[in-house]
Amino acid sequence: SQELEQSPQSLIVQEGKNLTINCTSSKTLYGLYWYKQKYGEGLIFLMMLQKGGEEKSHEKITAKLDEKKQQSSLHITASQPSHAGIYLCGADISSNYKLTFGKGTLLTVNP
Amino acid sequence: GAGVSQSPRYKVAKRGQDVALRCDPISGHVSLFWYQQALGQGPEFLTYFQNEAQLDKSGLPSDRFFAERPEGSVSTLKIQRTQQEDSAVYLCASSLYRGQTYEQYFGPGTRLTVT
Repeated sequence: SQELEQSPQSLIVQEGKNLTINCTSSKTLYGLYWYKQKYGEGLIFLMMLQKGGEEKSHEKITAKLDEKKQQSSLHITASQPSHAGIYLCGADISSNYKLTFGKGTLLTVNP
Repeated sequence: GAGVSQSPRYKVAKRGQDVALRCDPISGHVSLFWYQQALGQGPEFLTYFQNEAQLDKSGLPSDRFFAERPEGSVSTLKIQRTQQEDSAVYLCASSLYRGQTYEQYFGPGTRLTVT
């Protein structure tokens, strides 16, 4: 079974619309990372959350980690074509150092 | 400053060939990780170095996979006698230190295709 579940698997939105991507685990997340990946490229670091209830924002992207530290969401406001790509959540679920990743969410933004 | 770099970006190998993939981490980063990403999947952990010491190789799929970081900087992932199931993107990441406090920064990856 997948230790980190991401939903939805894919998402198509019209430019200007808001959207949310979720990342859920049955285990405590000691560190939760959001990355963006374009096809054929590496992972671009977006944000890292550690504390229950933590929320971070950068430009039009906001990430939250729930109080139980088992669920995170990534919210994009007023989406643009430049937001298109694969969004991956990765987490430290063993309290050491290696990251476990979800399968990713493919975001398409239509102009 | 420079990020994590990897070479080659693309590698095509015939089944049975040996390959070597290189990772140059961010200067001064103590921790270095290798991940394998199959098509349509998230990255999966392969191995971890702290300086030159390989502290965890639990994710290496077989004894054909070998990684080293002899001087605590550049790392090489070697795959011997490549098989078709080895086809994937190999990602290297580095962080200042280990632990959830420190962000892992990824390189662009090496796409390996075994024919």
